[in-house]
Amino acid sequence: AQSVTQPDIHITVSEGASLELRCNYSYGATPYLFWYVQSPGQGLQLLLKYFSGDTLVQGIKGFEAEFKRSQSSFNLRKPSVHWSDAAEYFCAVANTGGFKTIFGAGTRLFVKA
Amino acid sequence: GAGVSQSPSNKVTEKGKDVELRCDPISGHTALYWYRQRLGQGLEFLIYFQGNSAPDKSGLPSDRFSAERTGESVSTLTIQRTQQEDSAVYLCASSSDTGEQYFGPGTRLTVT
Repeated sequence: AQSVTQPDIHITVSEGASLELRCNYSYGATPYLFWYVQSPGQGLQLLLKYFSGDTLVQGIKGFEAEFKRSQSSFNLRKPSVHWSDAAEYFCAVANTGGFKTIFGAGTRLFVKA
Repeated sequence: GAGVSQSPSNKVTEKGKDVELRCDPISGHTALYWYRQRLGQGLEFLIYFQGNSAPDKSGLPSDRFSAERTGESVSTLTIQRTQQEDSAVYLCASSSDTGEQYFGPGTRLTVT
């Protein structure tokens, strides 16, 4: 069965510092992987996705993520965090074809000045 | 075009009553999903519809929950005999065959 683990419930970083949010998944085949962001009072928005090919994927708002099959990980990174990045981030895994999608519990990002 | 819409945006109901939540997906999207998000928690998969295939109901928490979808359009999530633990935000999403999901704003359900 698919599962997603986001080990960090919340993370605090200083504005301008780099960010890495961890995500580990469990799936028997090559998964479809996603990162979504949920800002306060707003809906969920897709940041980036991985289906196949290049294991380093670029997303919106300067985010990137790297698929590492050997570690079953899909960590999200950003070189320089902005105060507007404060939000809840969800990693998700879907079966081949991308339909049944399981979300992680989320990591809440706080940005301090 | 228009995004995913959900109605009502808020619903307050008494324990034991039935509620219906509606989702209008993006036109042309073949897949439609329902999730539940309790306060401060992640998204809990409930059900998804894909084209004319039988829906995957594996996430529905009890037989009080059911959902229908008319063709590739509107979907209704019904909760019968609501309980206080059903209080949550119910999110709907739709996707094309790329698997990228577009989410609606959600329906906040409060059971008193």
